[in-house]
Amino acid sequence: NAGVTQTPKFRVLKTGQSMTLLCAQDMNHEYMYWYRQDPGMGLRLIHYSVGEGTTAKGEVPDGYNVSRLKKQNFLLGLESAAPSQTSVYFCASSYGGTSGKTQYFGPGTRLLVL
Amino acid sequence: GQQVMQIPQYQHVQEGEDFTTYCNSSTTLSNIQWYKQRPGGHPVFLIQLVKSGEVKKQKRLTFQFGEAKKNSSLHITATQTTDVGTYFCAGGYAGNNRKLIWGLGTSLAVNP
Repeated sequence: NAGVTQTPKFRVLKTGQSMTLLCAQDMNHEYMYWYRQDPGMGLRLIHYSVGEGTTAKGEVPDGYNVSRLKKQNFLLGLESAAPSQTSVYFCASSYGGTSGKTQYFGPGTRLLVL
Repeated sequence: GQQVMQIPQYQHVQEGEDFTTYCNSSTTLSNIQWYKQRPGGHPVFLIQLVKSGEVKKQKRLTFQFGEAKKNSSLHITATQTTDVGTYFCAGGYAGNNRKLIWGLGTSLAVNP
């Protein structure tokens, strides 16, 4: 099992460009999450999904969109990148909600917006 | 709203010294999880505590959950350079079981 994989690993964008980050998991997990991590800010939840076809906003959703068309994939889109979106993005998945459900993280995508 | 406060933010120790990080919640937790992130890596699950007053050990690591289920601690005995990284606590709340509330993490540096 590959676990949780993220594509790409690193990307440089110019302000205003768009891109999609892909997260894939092969553990048949229901729940998937997108976080961003910035120095001193910990992990901040952007969007999450509790099942195929469903998504919900986290604490910092502005400027991002997501889609969960297939259970194993969770896509994070930036329609018009801004320098403030320079960050490390982590995807995570879990079997269900928080009770007894560990979150498994991908290796991260490092995004630089110039 | 639900918040998890974690202290200290940074800790530098000499190899062999002990280390403790603390998490406090404003409201009662249903469970608390601990994760470790090595420099340049991703968070990796360490343990989950569910019961009031629970204590669990993993070799040199001791995890505690408070009696009121509002606080938790991670204690490392005799730190080693392999303990370097950021330790996060993440709380789960009854009635909001779709996501975890994360502490900001404690970054541990160990001088050999």
